[in-house]
Amino acid sequence: DVVMTQSPLSLSVTLGQPASISCRSSQSLVSSDGDSYLHWFQQRPGQSPRRLIYKVSNRDSGVPDRFSGSGSGTDFTLNISRVEAEDVGVYYCMQDTHWPPETFGQGTKVEIK
Amino acid sequence: EVQLVQSGGGLIQPGGSLRLSCVVSGFTNYEMNWVRQAPGKGLEWVSYISTSGDAMYYADSVKGRFTISRDNAKNSLYLQMNSLRAEDTAIYYCVTGTHDSWGQGTLVTVSS
Repeated sequence: DVVMTQSPLSLSVTLGQPASISCRSSQSLVSSDGDSYLHWFQQRPGQSPRRLIYKVSNRDSGVPDRFSGSGSGTDFTLNISRVEAEDVGVYYCMQDTHWPPETFGQGTKVEIK
Repeated sequence: EVQLVQSGGGLIQPGGSLRLSCVVSGFTNYEMNWVRQAPGKGLEWVSYISTSGDAMYYADSVKGRFTISRDNAKNSLYLQMNSLRAEDTAIYYCVTGTHDSWGQGTLVTVSS
């Protein structure tokens, strides 16, 4: 199974400042079709997870453009250009290039300083 | 926008059985998953089913105990959970195959 490792596991950010979350996979996530099936999810307190970014860098509909994803191979990053209060929650990366099973990172908790 | 409405769940004794349901608008077009989250923990994929129901996969932790199924005529997804253990205690989410839509979650508590 592919192991997904996120860092940091906790992040305290000042409003309006940037934040960055790293996600590393135990093997390359490039699939036979050339795409990398690495996705990012946000889970606000008390809510279901919500997909933010799919296939590394594609923002979902309705997701603010302050969120961006990048990376390739085994190293990926979720960036928030200017953190807002509504961004508090836990962020997960997930891969389904090599499945089953699809696997999630441990989650990164983002809070406001 | 696809909507996923879950039902089922509750408190069950170890060794017991429970069935979760999920009604999905536009269901027949979607592959589906179940994903769970133990209290205060991260997300864990549980099971997958293809659009026709002819392909199913399970996490090793539930293989042989859980069964995923679907009824396309009823726009419904199911998870039959048998031989439940304390470690199955979690919020269970039904999720589309592309993970772009999630149900509201339903809590399953396995305890005596």
